[in-house]
Amino acid sequence: DIQMTQSPASLSASLGETVTIECRASEDIYSNLAWYQQKPGNSPQLLIYDANSLADGVPSRFSGSGSGTQYSLKINSLQSEDVASYFCQQYNNYTFGSGTKLEIK
Amino acid sequence: QVTLKESGPGILQPSHTLSLTCSFSGFSLSTYGMGVSWIRQPSGKGLEWLASIWWNGNTYNNPSLKSRLTVSKDTSNNQAFLKVTSVDTADTATYYCAHTTTTDYFDYWGQGVMVTVSS
Repeated sequence: DIQMTQSPASLSASLGETVTIECRASEDIYSNLAWYQQKPGNSPQLLIYDANSLADGVPSRFSGSGSGTQYSLKINSLQSEDVASYFCQQYNNYTFGSGTKLEIK
Repeated sequence: QVTLKESGPGILQPSHTLSLTCSFSGFSLSTYGMGVSWIRQPSGKGLEWLASIWWNGNTYNNPSLKSRLTVSKDTSNNQAFLKVTSVDTADTATYYCAHTTTTDYFDYWGQGVMVTVSS
């Protein structure tokens, strides 16, 4: 099974800052990677697919990058509504990362 | 637009079988490329993919739970189903269904249904 290692587990940043969350796969996943945002009390929502494609309606301050085994999610100009947990997922066999809880400092 | 909604028993006893229903609209599970997946999340923890069912009837289960899971569908009523046998407290979680296609990511999610396994 492909394992996904996500870091950091938690993150505190100020409004307007840029934050980066990373995921490392245990083997090459050929950009078959999605990022989801889960706000408190809500279901996950798709942010990024195919490593770097923005899902419909997602603000352009979110971006994804990476290839092979290393991937990252970047949030520019952090907003209060970005407080959430973020999960990566590889969809070769659907494993999720352990999540990153993002808070405002 | 695509919407999904899960329903289930809320609480059930250990060793029993959990039966969940996903009722959806905005797509058909008889259309080429369409699929419904099941994912669960224990309170305060991460996400675990459980199973997927596809337009052609093919199913794909998480190998770690494979023998306990059964997924099925009722195309005419736009529903998908998940059964989990021999539940125990470790199966306590919020269970989600999600729309997927042959692209494989989960682009629409239901609101989730909380399931508690307790004697």
